[in-house]
Amino acid sequence: SQQGEEDPQALSIQEGENATMNCSYKTSINNLQWYRQNSGRGLVHLILIRSNEREKHSGRLRVTLDTSKKSSSLLITASRAADTASYFCATEPTGANSKLTFGKGITLSVRP
Amino acid sequence: KAGVTQTPRYLIKTRGQQVTLSCSPISGHRSVSWYQQTPGQGLQFLFEYFSETQRNKGNFPGRFSGRQFSNSRSEMNVSTLELGDSALYLCASSLLVRTEAFFGQGTRLTVV
Repeated sequence: SQQGEEDPQALSIQEGENATMNCSYKTSINNLQWYRQNSGRGLVHLILIRSNEREKHSGRLRVTLDTSKKSSSLLITASRAADTASYFCATEPTGANSKLTFGKGITLSVRP
Repeated sequence: KAGVTQTPRYLIKTRGQQVTLSCSPISGHRSVSWYQQTPGQGLQFLFEYFSETQRNKGNFPGRFSGRQFSNSRSEMNVSTLELGDSALYLCASSLLVRTEAFFGQGTRLTVV
């Protein structure tokens, strides 16, 4: 079963605009991660945010985590056509033998 | 350093056959996880290995099995293939558990 659920399912924006993607989850987590996948290829790790962190930046990416609302957001600023991909959030629940669980992903299209 | 290598990249098998997929993790990584990705179900967790021990297993039938060798390389096997096993199989390696996962390009399995 999916622990994380991304919202929206699909997003289409113009190059240069910002893209905001959201993820909600159900249980307590150790960390939350965002990944990108280009069509039919492997996933690329973007950023990991731990449960005791509230915000993290990496280049044009900004991730926030609100553990009280069990939600996270990924902001891509000044989007480029090359950002077109599927984006997944993945959560690692607390617990001894927890596993990284992925949402179904968000399809982002950036129009040139 | 070299990334995660999965072989083969593409595979076509007939129903009832069996298949073995291979994953070589990033040098020094001891954790290897496998995922099945289909359009309908998204990324489904199969298993996780750490130092040759299966740490976690997803909700898949016993036809799906895996193992990890002393050099951290991992294989997964699917016996008695069914049409529904057609998917992209992704392997990910991590330095330790609860750290970011690095994915291979995947093996695209088609069962006919």
